Amino acid sequence: DAGVIQSPRHEVTEMGQEVTLRCKPISGHDYLFWYRQTMMRGLELLIYFNNNVPIDDSGMPEDRFSAKMPNASFSTLKIQPSEPRDSAVYFCASSRKGQLTNSPLHFGNGTRLTVT
Amino acid sequence: GDSVTQMEGPVTLSEEAFLTINCTYTATGYPSLFWYVQYPGEGLQLLLKATKADDKGSNKGFEATYRKETTSFHLEKGSVQVSDSAVYFCALSGSSSGSARQLTFGSGTQLTVLP
Repeated sequence: DAGVIQSPRHEVTEMGQEVTLRCKPISGHDYLFWYRQTMMRGLELLIYFNNNVPIDDSGMPEDRFSAKMPNASFSTLKIQPSEPRDSAVYFCASSRKGQLTNSPLHFGNGTRLTVT
Repeated sequence: GDSVTQMEGPVTLSEEAFLTINCTYTATGYPSLFWYVQYPGEGLQLLLKATKADDKGSNKGFEATYRKETTSFHLEKGSVQVSDSAVYFCALSGSSSGSARQLTFGSGTQLTVLP
């Protein structure tokens, strides 16, 4: 079990640039989640997918944010254009189907995004 | 909506000290409760969980009891080690079909254990 793999680990970009964060969930997991972690707001759920279909994107802050899951083994979170307030650690997590008590979330190590 | 309130940190303890991190929640129905731990540079890992009132979750010497009457899920450990230094998050998942797959996290508590 390789765990949830995120890339890159660190991303530094200038305001206005496009940023793409990538995630490979654990094989066999049906759910994929994107979270954002900041000092001010803590951990926020941005969007989650079930079987590659977006189920709830109410946490996506603005139209500048978009997420896709073209297949069961890959997801992207894109920010275009990026702004300094988007600086945060972005986590991807995956889980099997079933209740969270029996199918806990497995988190990746995160991507630390800095927008200057 | 659902919410989780955690004891603010940071918390600094000496090795072998007793640890308590307070957590209270607001939710409709009967949520499930969790503690996650985040070590430096890593993602969150599930530490323990409880699904109903009076359940006690335990793992690696940590314990937490689901107290519905006080809407609390305080984390305790009798003797902390340096390796326990991390950020601890209390979380809940709702009981409705729409919220059961979503975790609501507290703000996190940074624990530092000194040798």
